[in-house]
Amino acid sequence: AQSVTQLDSHVSVSEGTPVLLRCNYSSSYSPSLFWYVQHPNKGLQLLLKYTSAATLVKGINGFEAEFKKSETSFHLTKPSAHMSDAAEYFCVVSDWGSARQLTFGSGTQLTVLP
Amino acid sequence: DTAVSQTPKYLVTQMGNDKSIKCEQNLGHDTMYWYKQDSKKFLKIMFSYNNKELIINETVPNRFSPKSPDKAHLNLHINSLELGDSAVYFCASTGDGHSPLHFGNGTRLTVT
Repeated sequence: AQSVTQLDSHVSVSEGTPVLLRCNYSSSYSPSLFWYVQHPNKGLQLLLKYTSAATLVKGINGFEAEFKKSETSFHLTKPSAHMSDAAEYFCVVSDWGSARQLTFGSGTQLTVLP
Repeated sequence: DTAVSQTPKYLVTQMGNDKSIKCEQNLGHDTMYWYKQDSKKFLKIMFSYNNKELIINETVPNRFSPKSPDKAHLNLHINSLELGDSAVYFCASTGDGHSPLHFGNGTRLTVT
């Protein structure tokens, strides 16, 4: 069984300050982990993915995430927030059990203040 | 050159009607999905097809019936629509290995 917990439903930062969106997971197998972003009235876009290679993963738009097995975490960070980063962010775990199934976190709404 | 396209983008209909949402992907992927996103943005998997074969069928009312005529298409038919069916429905596809999902832009269904 697999699960993913996004620890904050809302995060608010000022433009130009760092962003931290937290995600913890549980998985019976070696998981793949993803972060997706959803802008208002849009589909989901892949930000970055971890698939058992380097533990520090760089994605698009300056985002990165670090896979920490000992902490079962995959937090998303960005050094400096931009107004265009305001969106909903989803952490996703993919387990390689009997069926290919992905489990989504409940989402974190990021607000960027001017 | 849209990778995963779903139609229509918006669908407004009355209770009791039957409607379909179509999805096509041109990525050559073997696996396609339907997800439902509720008003709180929570995404829940409904169905998954691999090469036209149903592999995931979550607890979804049997008013919802997926149809996959070929591996590039996965349509969703909904009978006797109810108010609670109002949501955004996303189609997605993925390839083999640890590849990520590619999503369509969603269909916003409103049942009145």
